[in-house]
Amino acid sequence: AQSVTQLGSHVSVSEGALVLLRCNYSSSVPPYLFWYVQYPNQGLQLLLKYTTGATLVKGINGFEAEFKKSETSFHLTKPSAHMSDAAEYFCAVSAYNTDKLIFGTGTRLQVFP
Amino acid sequence: SQTIHQWPATLVQPVGSPLSLECTVEGTSNPNLYWYRQAAGRGLQLLFYSVGIGQISSEVPQNLSASRPQDRQFILSSKKLLLSDSGFYLCAWKVRGGIYEQYFGPGTRLTVT
Repeated sequence: AQSVTQLGSHVSVSEGALVLLRCNYSSSVPPYLFWYVQYPNQGLQLLLKYTTGATLVKGINGFEAEFKKSETSFHLTKPSAHMSDAAEYFCAVSAYNTDKLIFGTGTRLQVFP
Repeated sequence: SQTIHQWPATLVQPVGSPLSLECTVEGTSNPNLYWYRQAAGRGLQLLFYSVGIGQISSEVPQNLSASRPQDRQFILSSKKLLLSDSGFYLCAWKVRGGIYEQYFGPGTRLTVT
C-alpha cells in the first residue's frame, strides 16, 4: 500500500530564511507526487507535481521540490520565506491503479518577521 | 477555464438536523468528483468519490451519503447530523482517467451545535 509521511507538524522560520518541508513516501510502483498549500479557511491549491522526467520540479510562489527515488523523498523548499507563505502544506501521492490521492497529515508553516 | 463552486460557505446546524452541501464544476466534462472532510487539527479524510453520474464510492461508513445527479454536480447529505460531523468539507475534481492532480473548491465550514 502507498503512504505519505510528513515529518514535523509545525515548522517555524524567519522571514528571508530557507523553507524546508519534508515528505517521504512509500510506493511499490513509480509514484506521482504532489504538494498542495492551504491558507486558513480556504481550499487546497496545487503548488507543484512530479509525474515523470526531470526530478527537480518548480512550482508557484517560488517553491520547488526534488524527487529522490533512493531516499523515497519529495521535500519542498523555498530559498527565502515570505510572510505570505504562512499556511498549511500537504504532500500527496497518487494511489496506484485508483483515482485517489493519499495525503500526508500536513505541516503548518509559520513565518516570523 | 475550470471552476469549482461549493455552497454554502458556512453552516451552523443543530444535532439531528438534515444536511445538504452542494458542489458544482464548470468548464470540464466527465470529471471525477470527491468529498473530503477536515476535522479540527486533523488532515484530509476522503469521504466519497464518483467517476460518473450515479456512481458513488464510499470510503468511510458513517451517517453521510453522497449523490451525483448530474455530470458536474456532487451533493453531500445527512438525514441526522452528529456533533462529530463538524468540520471543513472540501469538494474536488480531477480529469477522468490517467494520473492527474485534483482541484479543490473553497470549502464549507460546518458547525454542528
